[in-house]
Amino acid sequence: QKEVEQNSGPLSVPEGAIASLNCTYSDRVSQSFFWYRQYSGKSPELIMSIYSNGDKEDGRFTAQLNKASQYVSLLIRDSQPSDSATYLCVEEGGGKLIFGQGTELSVKP
Amino acid sequence: DTEVTQTPKHLVMGMTNKKSLKCEQHMGHRAMYWYKQKAKKPPELMFVYSYEKLSINESVPSRFSPECPNSSLLNLHLHALQPEDSALYLCASSETGGFTDTQYFGPGTRLTVL
Repeated sequence: QKEVEQNSGPLSVPEGAIASLNCTYSDRVSQSFFWYRQYSGKSPELIMSIYSNGDKEDGRFTAQLNKASQYVSLLIRDSQPSDSATYLCVEEGGGKLIFGQGTELSVKP
Repeated sequence: DTEVTQTPKHLVMGMTNKKSLKCEQHMGHRAMYWYKQKAKKPPELMFVYSYEKLSINESVPSRFSPECPNSSLLNLHLHALQPEDSALYLCASSETGGFTDTQYFGPGTRLTVL
């Protein structure tokens, strides 16, 4: 059974700080990972995708993948109140997305 | 254009009703998905259509019946639902369903079963 584990939070950070979201996965052969953001009552929207070991940066967001340790992380620099949402760590497994439980992030002004 | 549209936005139905949810995309994607999401939980996959053929059915009860009339449209027919089926129903699409594909989600239909 493939699993993606995330700390459900809530994770609270002050405005302007770095928010660090982490997840681990169980399937060693997984190659594709995604971070989705979901605001309350809305649908998930893609923030980042990452397929190779290392870091991938897009604006204030950096995704990190370490296949040896089977973890994925998302860093949000200069956090804003508008970043307050649930962040879903997702692994691709056999044509299906395997979702973590999500981490609730709260950015306080 | 990375838009997936879903209608209706909200639906309230009785346990004896028959209704349908509709999903549409015009991105030329060949894989489409139905998910069910309960409050404070991640989306749960229900069905996957790849090139208009049902490729994954996650053992969903038969009161949910998917239909893919063409590559742009995906329907979910509902019949004799239970109150526990109340949830946000999400449609998504991706280019081919391959392992590096990004899935784009529609806004969802909020379903309430009385």
